[in-house]
Amino acid sequence: GENVEQHPSTLSVQEGDSAVIKCTYSDSASNYFPWYKQELGKRPQLIIDIRSNVGEKKDQRIAVTLNKTAKHFSLHITETQPEDSAVYFCASSYTGGFKTIFGAGTRLFVKA
Amino acid sequence: DAGVTQSPTHLIKTRGQQVTLRCSPKSGHDTVSWYQQALGQGPQFIFQYYEEEERQRGNFPDRFSGHQFPNYSSELNVNALLLGDSALYLCASSLIVARGPGAEAFFGQGTRLTVV
Repeated sequence: GENVEQHPSTLSVQEGDSAVIKCTYSDSASNYFPWYKQELGKRPQLIIDIRSNVGEKKDQRIAVTLNKTAKHFSLHITETQPEDSAVYFCASSYTGGFKTIFGAGTRLFVKA
Repeated sequence: DAGVTQSPTHLIKTRGQQVTLRCSPKSGHDTVSWYQQALGQGPQFIFQYYEEEERQRGNFPDRFSGHQFPNYSSELNVNALLLGDSALYLCASSLIVARGPGAEAFFGQGTRLTVV
């Protein structure tokens, strides 16, 4: 069945450094790849997404890249800040958006 | 716009009981998806409702059922509760774009279900 693998499960960085989270999906029909941030006790919130007709998208300190051939997509956070500490989930979906499959999550710690 | 709202926020049930969780989607959204999130894990897709029908289903037993009403709100029902059903149940709403890429999902705050 469909699967999204996410690595690493835990990531600790120093404030100001960059953080990279990588995901691999299995369903070749996937064409929508959102990233969610979930702070402790709160709901997941969309931080950035990318569609299959684009290879890269950037929003201030956050960027996402997509390699459809390899079925890989990655989240890049630059100049990390303590408030970036949270669990990040990648996900994949496809036309019509009927089903979104989530990765297992990456717990990011940003040390001040 | 109140966003996605879920009720109740917390619930304690006994094994074997039945539970109903409720979700009101974000204004303008027509699709509701339900997820189960165990502690320390990613959300697991249960099913999705669109036009009052179940459109897709994840790997969950028939004990999990749902419904969508004409106003797009939705219910998740779980019968014969097991200890392993204890989790955060998230509802997400979106607007289906036929023949277009997937749609952004907005999550509710979740219902924390504890089965004892």
